[in-house]
Amino acid sequence: GAVVSQHPSRVICKSGTSVKIECRSLDFQATTMFWYRQFPKQSLMLMATSNEGSKATYEQGVEKDKFLINHASLTLSTLTVTSAHPEDSSFYICSARKGLGQVTYEQYFGPGTRLTVT
Amino acid sequence: AQTVTQSQPEMSVQEAETVTLSCTYDTSESDYYLFWYKQPPSRQMILVIRQEAYKQQNATENRFSVNFQKAAKSFSLKISDSQLGDAAMYFCAYRSQDAGGTSYGKLTFGQGTILTVHP
Repeated sequence: GAVVSQHPSRVICKSGTSVKIECRSLDFQATTMFWYRQFPKQSLMLMATSNEGSKATYEQGVEKDKFLINHASLTLSTLTVTSAHPEDSSFYICSARKGLGQVTYEQYFGPGTRLTVT
Repeated sequence: AQTVTQSQPEMSVQEAETVTLSCTYDTSESDYYLFWYKQPPSRQMILVIRQEAYKQQNATENRFSVNFQKAAKSFSLKISDSQLGDAAMYFCAYRSQDAGGTSYGKLTFGQGTILTVHP
């Protein structure tokens, strides 16, 4: 159990367009999901924390109007990169934490999405 | 804010040998969790081992064990009998135990260590 999927796995878009990345918890309910960004051979940088039914909490320096996060259900969170630019090209990873009432020590990570903006 | 530092950008080991990856962290909290994650070339993050700060006993998972020194704020990972499949980037991570707030469960990662295993 505890599988997290991401779609798409790879996406190429043109500069100025928007792209949506989906993160789904397949076999558990996730009240909290996290979105990370990772550059090659670097660490994961937390972008925002997504809580079901409420606004996302963004980390300092992350543009909330550029990286729109929606967590409309207990199994789905989406990250939309608006007006994408080449510098937004990166690997985006989501993770999910099981719902309240369940003891959990770790997050379950999705396989990531590689975004290339041309 | 908590910080996690991995001072070894790259490490290498011969197959079947033992290697230790270093991690230090800074926190003012007394209760927290520490993790080691592995990221192979597929980029899928895999949990290797976890340690609860209140436990004095070092965690072990088969060939993986940690040396947790709470006073020194050190959390190293030892990989015994290294295998080719252990080659990956390894991340040390910290998580607060605080259950309050909207960022509950937030992980802080170190810079990572690339481990190469030579046959």
